[in-house]
Amino acid sequence: GAVVSQHPSWVICKSGTSVKIECRSLDFQATTMFWYRQFPKQSLMLMATSNEGSKATYEQGVEKDKFLINHASLTLSTLTVTSAHPEDSSFYICSARALVRSLAKNIQYFGAGTRLSVL
Amino acid sequence: GESVGLHLPTLSVQEGDNSIINCAYSNSASDYFIWYKQESGKGPQFIIDIRSNMDKRQGQRVTVLLNKTVKHLSLQIAATQPGDSAVYFCAERGGSYGQNFVFGPGTRLSVLP
Repeated sequence: GAVVSQHPSWVICKSGTSVKIECRSLDFQATTMFWYRQFPKQSLMLMATSNEGSKATYEQGVEKDKFLINHASLTLSTLTVTSAHPEDSSFYICSARALVRSLAKNIQYFGAGTRLSVL
Repeated sequence: GESVGLHLPTLSVQEGDNSIINCAYSNSASDYFIWYKQESGKGPQFIIDIRSNMDKRQGQRVTVLLNKTVKHLSLQIAATQPGDSAVYFCAERGGSYGQNFVFGPGTRLSVLP
């Protein structure tokens, strides 16, 4: 299947600093990428939908200025957590939608996730 | 603030037995469903999908059943192996959700030796 690479896999930062997380589709072009947040023992919560070349669409309750999303190319989307605080500590997961021609359908493939720990 | 944590339902099965993981979905207009497997500290992995015009689909050792009448989805794993231990999520798409997937709460599958 398609590969989505997410980097870094784990980041520890001081409160007040900003952290950038990259999401790359390695062997396909993804016009749409998604960013999720997952707390321990909970399900994935969609934060925003990112379309290449346009502004991201944020879910209700997600602060746009806090979680900056850039989707500058068909293979790269970034999530920047600005002025991170301990309550932002979580597991952040990106996914990219790929058209699987042989199956004639779109499937979402996920990155391995980034664990953010804010001290 | 941080959400109140929910305890994931847990299913424990003996190695070699069959597992059935259930999921109730919410949107009657959803037209596409996927089961994902998530191992600890990793991102979700696609297992199998099913469209709403089907009620059963089989993969390798896995079968997904869809009951639209009661909005219920199940994942059956045959001859469960230790490597199957993970959290399993169902995801629905369509209707008011558009092209976005909405994930269920997840079920933790533990395979006992």
